[in-house]
Amino acid sequence: GENVEQHPSTLSVQEGDSAVIKCTYSDSASNYFPWYKQELGKRPQLIIDIRSNVGEKKDQRIAVTLNKTAKHFSLHITETQPEDSAVYFCAASKGNEKLTFGTGTRLTIIP
Amino acid sequence: SAVISQKPSRDICQRGTSLTIQCQVDSQVTMMFWYRQQPRQSLTLIATANQGSEATYESGFVIDKFPISRPNLTFSTLTVSNMSPEDSSIYLCSVEDRDRGTDTQYFGPGTRLTVL
Repeated sequence: GENVEQHPSTLSVQEGDSAVIKCTYSDSASNYFPWYKQELGKRPQLIIDIRSNVGEKKDQRIAVTLNKTAKHFSLHITETQPEDSAVYFCAASKGNEKLTFGTGTRLTIIP
Repeated sequence: SAVISQKPSRDICQRGTSLTIQCQVDSQVTMMFWYRQQPRQSLTLIATANQGSEATYESGFVIDKFPISRPNLTFSTLTVSNMSPEDSSIYLCSVEDRDRGTDTQYFGPGTRLTVL
């Protein structure tokens, strides 16, 4: 089955700097890659997703890039703010099939 | 996106007992899933709740321990049976509406279970 690895497990950045979280997947047939943000005590919330027919997608300060050849995708957060502090999960699926989640990255924004 | 609710939001149970968790969606959805999230861990899929038929369980999860019902397109239950302290976790349902052409999953608020 699909295996998703996520790095780093923890990340601290100064407020205003950028944060990058990387994931790799094993199944070349995977074609849907969402990112979820989970604040303490809250449910995971979808923040952005990308499908395999595009290489990059951006939504304000958040962007996701996908390299199908290398089977990795990354989350980029620019101009980080304290409210960006959370745990971020990447996931992969073949579309219309179950999601396989990465192990999560705890992001801390230092004021 | 669909509005998803779960009951109870939290519970403390004695070992050997069972707890049934409910997941309610405000619109009909094709797919419903149940996940477990142990403390400071990732999300692990327990099973896919299939409307009108038996749930599809992931490796390591069995129906006797986690029976699931899905009587219609807006509701599902997960029962955690014969609980032990190792079952202490957050249990989340999620939904996906493939009839609308999307495979995006949205999560319920979760049920925090503590087993003593």
